[in-house]
Amino acid sequence: QKEVEQNSGPLSVPEGAIASLNCTYSDRVSQSFFWYRQYSGKSPELIMSIYSNGDKEDGRFTAQLNKASQYVSLLIRDSQPSDSATYLCAVNAGNQFYFGTGTSLTVIP
Amino acid sequence: KAGVTQTPRYLIKTRGQQVTLSCSPISGHRSVSWYQQTPGQGLQFLFEYFSETQRNKGNFPGRFSGRQFSNSRSEMNVSTLELGDSALYLCASSLFSGRTDTQYFGPGTRLTVL
Repeated sequence: QKEVEQNSGPLSVPEGAIASLNCTYSDRVSQSFFWYRQYSGKSPELIMSIYSNGDKEDGRFTAQLNKASQYVSLLIRDSQPSDSATYLCAVNAGNQFYFGTGTSLTVIP
Repeated sequence: KAGVTQTPRYLIKTRGQQVTLSCSPISGHRSVSWYQQTPGQGLQFLFEYFSETQRNKGNFPGRFSGRQFSNSRSEMNVSTLELGDSALYLCASSLFSGRTDTQYFGPGTRLTVL
């Protein structure tokens, strides 16, 4: 059973702070990792993908991958109220995608 | 490049009826996956199609079926609808390029079963 685990939250941070979202996965053959953002009533939209150990930065978002520890995280710097959403972690293992249940983030103005 | 499109966007049906949902992937994408999303269960994988063949299937009853056409468009069918089938049905397309494959979601079809 391939599992992707996330803290469901809710996670609340003040505007301008750093939000840290974490995800662990159970399958060691997992090859690529993704973070999606989903606003209430909308479909998931891709934020970041990461394939190699280390950090990957894109604007205010930084994805971190540690394959040895089987975790991937997403940092959101200078959090904005518009970042309030559910963040889904996804793993591509054996050409099938597995999703976590998502972490709800609220950025308080 | 146009994104993933799904039709219809909203659907209301009654128990026992059947429904067909449609998904057109991003141009050039050959893989289409379907998911059911409910507040309590999150994203649940239904099935994936590639080159008109079902490659993977999730743990759903046989009432849920799908197919893919030669132009990569896909349809999903649910027969004998139950109240519990009320959900957001999401279609995602990908190139099927191996380890770097990325899924892109359509806007979803909101199905309500009364």
